[in-house]
Amino acid sequence: DAKTTQPTSMDCAEGRAANLPCNHSTISGNEYVYWYRQIHSQGPQYIIHGLKNNETNEMASLIITEDRKSSTLILPHATLRDTAVYYCIVRGGTSYGKLTFGQGTILTVHP
Amino acid sequence: NAGVTQTPKFQVLKTGQSMTLQCAQDMNHEYMSWYRQDPGMGLRLIHYSVGAGITDQGEVPNGYNVSRSTTEDFPLRLLSAAPSQTSVYFCASSSLSGKGGYTFGSGTRLTVV
Repeated sequence: DAKTTQPTSMDCAEGRAANLPCNHSTISGNEYVYWYRQIHSQGPQYIIHGLKNNETNEMASLIITEDRKSSTLILPHATLRDTAVYYCIVRGGTSYGKLTFGQGTILTVHP
Repeated sequence: NAGVTQTPKFQVLKTGQSMTLQCAQDMNHEYMSWYRQDPGMGLRLIHYSVGAGITDQGEVPNGYNVSRSTTEDFPLRLLSAAPSQTSVYFCASSSLSGKGGYTFGSGTRLTVV
């Protein structure tokens, strides 16, 4: 699986958009970009995933660059409950169950 | 719909004891995995399964056994517990297509003394 690079930490004001970047320059054509988050010590929570096109769901939007070497997760109106560790993961091809977590980005939302 | 259920939520073991961490899912997912998470670190894959009767090793398999006799259940066995296995253990499941991502359980917090 392709390796991902994320900033260690980010801050965001409550009510503002949080934009979390991820680099995955070695991604291959059949690999998807997944985003998860982990709040405190809970189990990770799936947020969104995409292949080429931008994606949006009730939680977030995912913007993938045309060359697919990077992506941005957007939380449109961050709340205090969005404070968590956010993981960008590349998965696909024959990787089956191998979802490999990196260190992620610690997002802190301030009042 | 319960999702992924892990039992027990907390466990204390003595060094050398064995135990089984239970994981069950009711979503008919083909993929199931076990991860461990040590303080301040990301999740590391222990073992995974792509269907009943099929298992494979992940990143840190030593000291753990798994089996997958049914689609629903994927137990993790600690053969002889060691203090280094003190961790939080998460079970996760996913459909073959990957749509909807992995669903994680709430974790088992294991302490080996």
